[in-house]
Parts: sequence; C-alpha cells; structure tokens
Amino acid sequence: QVQLVQPGSEVKKPGASVKASCKASGYTFTSYFMHWVRQAPGQGLEWMGIINPSSGRTTYAQRFQGRVTMTRDTSTSTVYMELSSLRSEDTAIYYCARGWGGFDLWGRGTLVTVSS
Amino acid sequence: SSELTQDPAVSVALGQTVRITCQGDNLRKYYASWYQQKPGQAPVLVFHGTSNRPSGIPDRFSGSSSGNTASLTITGAQAEDEADYYCDSRDSSDESRDGSGNYWVFGGGTKLTVL
Repeated sequence: QVQLVQPGSEVKKPGASVKASCKASGYTFTSYFMHWVRQAPGQGLEWMGIINPSSGRTTYAQRFQGRVTMTRDTSTSTVYMELSSLRSEDTAIYYCARGWGGFDLWGRGTLVTVSS
Repeated sequence: SSELTQDPAVSVALGQTVRITCQGDNLRKYYASWYQQKPGQAPVLVFHGTSNRPSGIPDRFSGSSSGNTASLTITGAQAEDEADYYCDSRDSSDESRDGSGNYWVFGGGTKLTVL
C-alpha cells in the first residue's frame, strides 16, 4: 500500500526542538521528492522545504532557513524534519507530501503543540 | 518570493458550475496544482496544470491557465465538494532537478460552500 506514515502528535516546550518523521512505503523511496508543509490551527498551508531522498539535497523556505533541517534515512525509507527554537507560533500540523508537479501523496500529519 | 492570491470564499448552487481562481506572477512560468482539504483531513491533489487529473478524482474537476491566473473548475458541483481548496506552484527555481534551488508557494485557500 502506497502511503506516508507520520506519528500523531508531539508536545514541546518553547525553545526546544522537534524532529518529525515520515515513513514511506509501497513505492521506491528514492524516486520521489519529499516536501514538508505545515498548517497552523485554522490557517492555510505553508511550504517549508524539499528534500531529494536520493541525494539528500535540500532547499528550505526562506522564513525557516537556519531553523529547519531535513534529512532522510534510505535504509528505513524515512524522511525527517527538525525544527529548532520552537515558539508558540510553530504550533501546527506538519505534513510530509510526495511529488514535484503536484503533491500526489500526503501523510496524515503530526500535530506539534508548543506550550509551556 | 512570489505570492499566490485566492478569493477567501466562494459559493455555488448544487449542480451548478464554479470556478476557483489563483493569481500570481510565477503562474506565467509554472503550472498550478490544486488541493481539496476537508475538515480534519490531509489535503488531496485534485488537479495539476491543465490536463492532469489524478486517478480517482471525478472528471467534474478540471484546470486551466491564462497569463498569471490559474483556475479550477467544478462542473456540476456536488455536496461532497464542499471543502477548502488550495493552489500551489513552483516559486523560483535554478532549474535544477535534484531538488536544490527549487521553491514552492501555496495560495491562501478558498472555502467553497455548496448551497
């Protein structure tokens, strides 16, 4: 079954880091780019960055540069997104999504709550 | 970076046709993709560009593009089409296909109400 599996939720304190995971299955992991997209409560979608699972090369949206790191583990077909120096405004659902011309496969998202 | 502009809300009578638009300078160079998102669910790709409808998406969904505007048209809207719709597109690019130097941007979303 072609799918992206993400953990349901995480709770972090302000100033901490979160490392969200996204495990791919049912297709060739290295053949598709992976993106991270977040959605704050009641808000729209925001693109965070892209990783090439084959080479590991990344590009991050300007507003997250210096605070986000995307990596992959080809042995487990998993991509990771680490966001540091968390603040309350980072409370959101973090989705991984596969694709280049249209994101055709999405995970269910991980709700990251930043609260003291 | 570029922006993509969508109308915040659109309504359509059941069975009628509705067009949802997305405007941005980068649409002169790159195609838009369209996503449907229902409450509590992840987005679903419903159309890309002007001719790519993913498997399983009803053929009442279609896409078009002209100048700096991309459109998603729903011909014969159904009650189950009520949702938020987002467009996205590549923003800037160094034309590298290894992923580096490529940026994407989403529109603010359109809430579609089926009356």
